[in-house]
Amino acid sequence: QKEVEQDPGPLSVPEGAIVSLNCTYSNSAFQYFMWYRQYSRKGPELLMYTYSSGNKEDGRFTAQVDKSSKYISLFIRDSQPSDSATYLCAMIEGGSYIPTFGRGTSLIVHP
Amino acid sequence: GAVVSQHPSWVICKSGTSVKIECRSLDFQATTMFWYRQFPKQSLMLMATSNEGSKATYEQGVEKDKFLINHASLTLSTLTVTSAHPEDSSFYICSASRREGGYTFGSGTRLTVV
Repeated sequence: QKEVEQDPGPLSVPEGAIVSLNCTYSNSAFQYFMWYRQYSRKGPELLMYTYSSGNKEDGRFTAQVDKSSKYISLFIRDSQPSDSATYLCAMIEGGSYIPTFGRGTSLIVHP
Repeated sequence: GAVVSQHPSWVICKSGTSVKIECRSLDFQATTMFWYRQFPKQSLMLMATSNEGSKATYEQGVEKDKFLINHASLTLSTLTVTSAHPEDSSFYICSASRREGGYTFGSGTRLTVV
Protein backbone atom coordinates (compact mmCIF):
# COMPACT_ATOMS: atom_id res chain seq x y z
CA GLN A 1 0.00 0.00 0.00
CA LYS A 2 1.33 3.41 -0.94
CA GLU A 3 1.76 5.93 1.82
CA VAL A 4 -0.41 8.47 0.01
CA GLU A 5 -3.44 7.48 -2.04
CA GLN A 6 -5.05 9.83 -4.52
CA ASP A 7 -7.61 9.00 -7.19
CA PRO A 8 -6.14 9.98 -10.58
CA GLY A 9 -9.54 10.81 -12.08
CA PRO A 10 -10.22 12.46 -14.40
CA LEU A 11 -12.83 14.45 -12.57
CA SER A 12 -15.03 16.40 -14.94
CA VAL A 13 -17.32 19.14 -13.62
CA PRO A 14 -19.29 22.04 -15.10
CA GLU A 15 -18.13 25.60 -14.61
CA GLY A 16 -19.31 27.01 -11.29
CA ALA A 17 -19.40 23.66 -9.50
CA ILE A 18 -17.82 22.99 -6.14
CA VAL A 19 -14.94 20.58 -6.55
CA SER A 20 -13.73 18.20 -3.87
CA LEU A 21 -10.31 16.62 -4.21
CA ASN A 22 -9.08 14.11 -1.66
CA CYS A 23 -6.08 12.17 -0.41
CA THR A 24 -5.76 9.49 2.21
CA TYR A 25 -2.57 8.48 3.93
CA SER A 26 -1.35 5.73 6.17
CA ASN A 27 1.70 7.29 7.81
CA SER A 28 0.66 8.90 11.07
CA ALA A 29 4.00 10.74 11.18
CA PHE A 30 2.90 13.12 8.44
CA GLN A 31 2.55 16.54 9.99
CA TYR A 32 2.57 18.98 7.09
CA PHE A 33 0.15 18.91 4.20
CA MET A 34 0.27 20.70 0.89
CA TRP A 35 -1.74 20.96 -2.29
CA TYR A 36 -0.10 21.70 -5.61
CA ARG A 37 -1.60 22.53 -8.98
CA GLN A 38 0.19 21.35 -12.09
CA TYR A 39 -0.72 22.43 -15.58
CA SER A 40 0.23 20.21 -18.47
CA ARG A 41 4.00 20.14 -19.06
CA LYS A 42 4.66 22.59 -16.26
CA GLY A 43 6.10 22.28 -12.79
CA PRO A 44 3.73 22.11 -9.80
CA GLU A 45 2.83 25.34 -8.03
CA LEU A 46 1.91 25.51 -4.37
CA LEU A 47 -1.73 26.29 -3.63
CA MET A 48 -2.18 25.60 0.06
CA TYR A 49 -0.02 24.61 3.00
CA THR A 50 -1.25 23.56 6.42
CA TYR A 51 -0.02 21.64 9.41
CA SER A 52 -3.04 21.41 11.66
CA SER A 53 -6.36 19.65 11.56
CA GLY A 54 -9.28 21.77 10.46
CA ASN A 55 -9.90 24.11 7.58
CA LYS A 56 -7.76 26.74 5.92
CA GLU A 57 -9.28 29.07 3.39
CA ASP A 58 -7.64 31.11 0.65
CA GLY A 59 -9.97 32.73 -1.83
CA ARG A 60 -11.89 30.03 -3.67
CA PHE A 61 -9.74 27.30 -2.17
CA THR A 62 -10.25 25.55 1.16
CA ALA A 63 -7.87 22.91 2.50
CA GLN A 64 -9.20 20.51 5.08
CA VAL A 65 -7.18 18.12 7.22
CA ASP A 66 -8.56 15.34 9.38
CA LYS A 67 -5.60 13.71 11.08
CA SER A 68 -7.75 11.27 13.01
CA SER A 69 -9.05 9.81 9.75
CA LYS A 70 -5.80 10.42 7.85
CA TYR A 71 -7.73 12.26 5.19
CA ILE A 72 -7.16 15.60 3.51
CA SER A 73 -9.29 17.51 1.06
CA LEU A 74 -9.08 20.50 -1.22
CA PHE A 75 -12.30 22.28 -2.09
CA ILE A 76 -12.58 24.66 -5.02
CA ARG A 77 -15.61 26.92 -5.10
CA ASP A 78 -17.04 28.46 -8.25
CA SER A 79 -14.74 26.37 -10.40
CA GLN A 80 -13.47 27.90 -13.63
CA PRO A 81 -12.15 26.35 -16.84
CA SER A 82 -8.76 27.80 -15.87
CA ASP A 83 -8.80 25.50 -12.84
CA SER A 84 -8.45 22.54 -15.20
CA ALA A 85 -5.16 20.94 -14.16
CA THR A 86 -3.73 18.10 -12.12
CA TYR A 87 -3.87 18.59 -8.37
CA LEU A 88 -1.25 16.86 -6.26
CA CYS A 89 -1.36 16.43 -2.52
CA ALA A 90 1.93 16.23 -0.64
CA MET A 91 2.84 15.42 2.93
CA ILE A 92 5.91 15.68 5.10
CA GLU A 93 6.81 13.87 8.29
CA GLY A 94 7.64 15.95 11.31
CA GLY A 95 11.39 16.45 11.42
CA SER A 96 11.78 15.61 7.74
CA TYR A 97 12.11 17.88 4.76
CA ILE A 98 11.29 15.45 1.97
CA PRO A 99 7.67 15.51 0.80
CA THR A 100 5.73 12.45 -0.30
CA PHE A 101 3.39 13.13 -3.20
CA GLY A 102 0.12 11.60 -4.25
CA ARG A 103 -0.17 10.66 -7.93
CA GLY A 104 -2.40 13.62 -8.66
CA THR A 105 -6.03 14.05 -9.68
CA SER A 106 -6.80 15.39 -13.13
CA LEU A 107 -9.56 18.00 -13.00
CA ILE A 108 -11.49 19.18 -16.03
CA VAL A 109 -13.86 22.13 -15.68
CA HIS A 110 -15.94 22.51 -18.79
CA PRO A 111 -17.77 25.72 -19.75
CA GLY B 1 7.75 35.36 -4.65
CA ALA B 2 10.35 32.62 -4.83
CA VAL B 3 11.16 31.57 -8.38
CA VAL B 4 13.13 28.62 -9.67
CA SER B 5 14.26 28.88 -13.25
CA GLN B 6 14.73 25.55 -15.01
CA HIS B 7 16.37 25.18 -18.42
CA PRO B 8 15.94 23.87 -20.98
CA SER B 9 12.19 23.38 -20.97
CA TRP B 10 12.39 20.90 -23.80
CA VAL B 11 15.27 18.97 -25.31
CA ILE B 12 15.69 16.24 -27.90
CA CYS B 13 18.95 14.36 -27.99
CA LYS B 14 20.42 11.37 -29.73
CA SER B 15 20.85 8.10 -27.91
CA GLY B 16 24.25 7.91 -26.25
CA THR B 17 24.72 11.63 -25.73
CA SER B 18 24.53 13.54 -22.44
CA VAL B 19 22.10 16.25 -21.48
CA LYS B 20 22.46 18.82 -18.73
CA ILE B 21 19.45 20.35 -17.01
CA GLU B 22 19.94 23.44 -14.91
CA CYS B 23 17.92 24.86 -12.04
CA ARG B 24 18.53 28.28 -10.54
CA SER B 25 16.81 29.86 -7.59
CA LEU B 26 16.46 33.47 -8.66
CA ASP B 27 15.63 35.35 -5.49
CA PHE B 28 16.42 33.02 -2.63
CA GLN B 29 19.01 30.57 -1.44
CA ALA B 30 18.08 26.95 -2.00
CA THR B 31 19.30 25.00 0.98
CA THR B 32 18.20 21.74 -0.59
CA MET B 33 17.41 20.85 -4.18
CA PHE B 34 15.23 17.91 -5.13
CA TRP B 35 15.20 16.27 -8.52
CA TYR B 36 12.09 14.44 -9.68
CA ARG B 37 11.08 12.41 -12.65
CA GLN B 38 7.47 12.28 -13.78
CA PHE B 39 5.87 9.91 -16.26
CA PRO B 40 2.56 10.77 -17.96
CA LYS B 41 -0.35 10.71 -15.52
CA GLN B 42 1.95 9.61 -12.73
CA SER B 43 3.12 11.32 -9.60
CA LEU B 44 6.51 12.85 -8.99
CA MET B 45 9.18 10.26 -8.39
CA LEU B 46 12.01 11.58 -6.24
CA MET B 47 15.35 10.76 -7.81
CA ALA B 48 17.79 12.49 -5.52
CA THR B 49 18.26 15.17 -2.91
CA SER B 50 21.23 17.49 -2.84
CA ASN B 51 22.56 20.05 -0.42
CA GLU B 52 24.92 22.79 -1.47
CA GLY B 53 28.52 21.66 -1.45
CA SER B 54 27.86 18.02 -0.66
CA LYS B 55 27.19 14.88 -2.62
CA ALA B 56 23.66 14.10 -3.64
CA THR B 57 21.66 11.41 -1.91
CA TYR B 58 20.04 9.14 -4.45
CA GLU B 59 16.84 7.19 -4.00
CA GLN B 60 16.91 3.45 -4.28
CA GLY B 61 16.99 2.28 -7.86
CA VAL B 62 18.36 5.54 -9.28
CA GLU B 63 21.77 5.14 -10.94
CA LYS B 64 24.04 7.84 -9.57
CA ASP B 65 26.55 7.36 -12.39
CA LYS B 66 23.84 7.93 -14.95
CA PHE B 67 22.13 10.87 -13.30
CA LEU B 68 24.88 13.20 -12.15
CA ILE B 69 23.79 15.93 -9.79
CA ASN B 70 25.89 18.93 -8.92
CA HIS B 71 24.81 21.52 -6.36
CA ALA B 72 27.69 23.93 -6.69
CA SER B 73 26.09 26.90 -4.99
CA LEU B 74 23.03 27.89 -3.01
CA THR B 75 21.39 29.11 -6.20
CA LEU B 76 22.39 26.52 -8.78
CA SER B 77 21.93 22.79 -9.19
CA THR B 78 22.37 20.70 -12.31
CA LEU B 79 21.25 17.25 -13.38
CA THR B 80 23.20 15.58 -16.16
CA VAL B 81 21.71 12.55 -17.85
CA THR B 82 24.74 10.70 -19.18
CA SER B 83 24.66 8.35 -22.16
CA ALA B 84 20.95 8.91 -22.52
CA HIS B 85 18.74 6.19 -23.93
CA PRO B 86 15.11 6.27 -25.08
CA GLU B 87 13.95 4.86 -21.74
CA ASP B 88 15.33 8.01 -20.08
CA SER B 89 12.76 10.07 -21.95
CA SER B 90 10.63 11.71 -19.31
CA PHE B 91 9.68 14.96 -17.62
CA TYR B 92 12.32 16.07 -15.11
CA ILE B 93 11.48 18.66 -12.45
CA CYS B 94 13.60 20.30 -9.80
CA SER B 95 12.34 21.69 -6.53
CA ALA B 96 14.17 23.96 -4.12
CA SER B 97 13.56 24.32 -0.42
CA ARG B 98 14.08 27.63 1.35
CA ARG B 99 15.60 28.31 4.73
CA GLU B 100 12.35 29.85 5.90
CA GLY B 101 10.39 26.83 4.70
CA GLY B 102 8.43 25.87 1.63
CA TYR B 103 9.28 24.35 -1.70
CA THR B 104 9.34 25.95 -5.13
CA PHE B 105 9.31 23.91 -8.30
CA GLY B 106 10.98 24.64 -11.59
CA SER B 107 8.89 24.56 -14.74
CA GLY B 108 10.21 21.16 -15.77
CA THR B 109 12.24 19.78 -18.66
CA ARG B 110 10.80 17.39 -21.18
CA LEU B 111 13.57 15.12 -22.39
CA THR B 112 13.11 13.05 -25.52
CA VAL B 113 15.89 10.66 -26.49
CA VAL B 114 15.78 9.41 -30.07
